[in-house]
Amino acid sequence: KNEVEQSPQNLTAQEGEFITINCSYSVGISALHWLQQHPGGGIVSLFMLSSGKKKHGRLIATINIQEKHSSLHITASHPRDSAVYICAVGDYGGATNKLIFGTGTLLAVQP
Amino acid sequence: GAGVSQSPRYKVAKRGQDVALRCDPISGHVSLFWYQQALGQGPEFLTYFQNEAQLDKSGLPSDRFFAERPEGSVSTLKIQRTQQEDSAVYLCASSPRYRDYEQYFGPGTRLTVT
Repeated sequence: KNEVEQSPQNLTAQEGEFITINCSYSVGISALHWLQQHPGGGIVSLFMLSSGKKKHGRLIATINIQEKHSSLHITASHPRDSAVYICAVGDYGGATNKLIFGTGTLLAVQP
Repeated sequence: GAGVSQSPRYKVAKRGQDVALRCDPISGHVSLFWYQQALGQGPEFLTYFQNEAQLDKSGLPSDRFFAERPEGSVSTLKIQRTQQEDSAVYLCASSPRYRDYEQYFGPGTRLTVT
């Protein structure tokens, strides 16, 4: 079983829809990251959070430490949001703060 | 300002060749990470540097993989006697602090071993 699980693996939405991507993890963490990766492109960090909720524009990320669960929400989705969204956790107690990644959620927003 | 850069962006190697992949982190960033991303998968940790010290190399898949950061800035990931299973995107990330801080990713080097 992977230490970081994401759902769904693939998601197709119509422009304007509210989107939720979920992430569950089984290890102790120091922080959780949401990342965005466009096809052929590099990875961009969207959020890093260790508690509560963060908002940036149309993106909202929440985390429940007790339940070891995080969600990424996109409001008023747009075709330019189409990308792979990756959840990653920082290794708790490790000396390196290496990230353990989920396999990603491929989001396609259709006009 | 300049972000993390990697070179080459694409590399095709014949099985058995040695390759060297370069990462230029953001200036002044203390931490540097290498990750390997196979097609359709999330990245996996390879190794970590804090300045010039390689503190964690637990993710290197075999002794054919070697990484260095001799002056605490530029890093090179070397793969000897490449195998087809080494085909992947190799990502470099840097971070300004030691722990619990955002990592900034480079565009990656796509390695194809034929």
